[in-house]
Amino acid sequence: KAGVTQTPRYLIKTRGQQVTLSCSPISGHRSVSWYQQTPGQGLQFLFEYFSETQRNKGNFPGRFSGRQFSNSRSEMNVSTLELGDSALYLCASSLAPREKNTEAFFGQGTRLTVV
Amino acid sequence: SQKIEQNSEALNIQEGKTATLTCNYTNYSPAYLQWYRQDPGRGPVFLLLIRENEKEKRKERLKVTFDTTLKQSLFHITASQPADSATYLCALSDYKLSFGAGTTVTVRA
Repeated sequence: KAGVTQTPRYLIKTRGQQVTLSCSPISGHRSVSWYQQTPGQGLQFLFEYFSETQRNKGNFPGRFSGRQFSNSRSEMNVSTLELGDSALYLCASSLAPREKNTEAFFGQGTRLTVV
Repeated sequence: SQKIEQNSEALNIQEGKTATLTCNYTNYSPAYLQWYRQDPGRGPVFLLLIRENEKEKRKERLKVTFDTTLKQSLFHITASQPADSATYLCALSDYKLSFGAGTTVTVRA
């Protein structure tokens, strides 16, 4: 069974640009959550999608958005990039919505560097 | 506000010894607590989940305890091996996973 796939693995962008990251969950998983990981703040929850609907959102500005497609693949977008957005962005897939407390399977992440 | 603290940033132990990691939380009443392992440059990998009505959970050389009165979970790696060297994260689980900062374990041969 293939794991969670995130593309691209590495990205370098300039301040003010926008970026789109992609996540393909494990086959059959309908919940996709996104997390930002930085040395200072650790792992922070961005949002969760289940069956194409955003179920929950973390405490991030509106520049961070996402969506989920009918095949459960998800994308997140960050507009007007800032230096502080440099981080490892992780996607996690689960069989059920997060409130069911099932285990989460993480991808390898996308390392975003904003210069 | 909710706070999750893992006892130390780094733990160095001798191969064969038991590593014990602590996760304390405040202003939270999780029904579930999870532990993950993260290697450099990779995403976290799920290890164990323990429910509030479970005192202890084991998986091979790993053991987790959960004390909702003390608001604490202990994570033990017995008979540690150099391959156990990694960062271990505890996570409180509800509609999201709220992670601690992690403890980096280094097992010396």
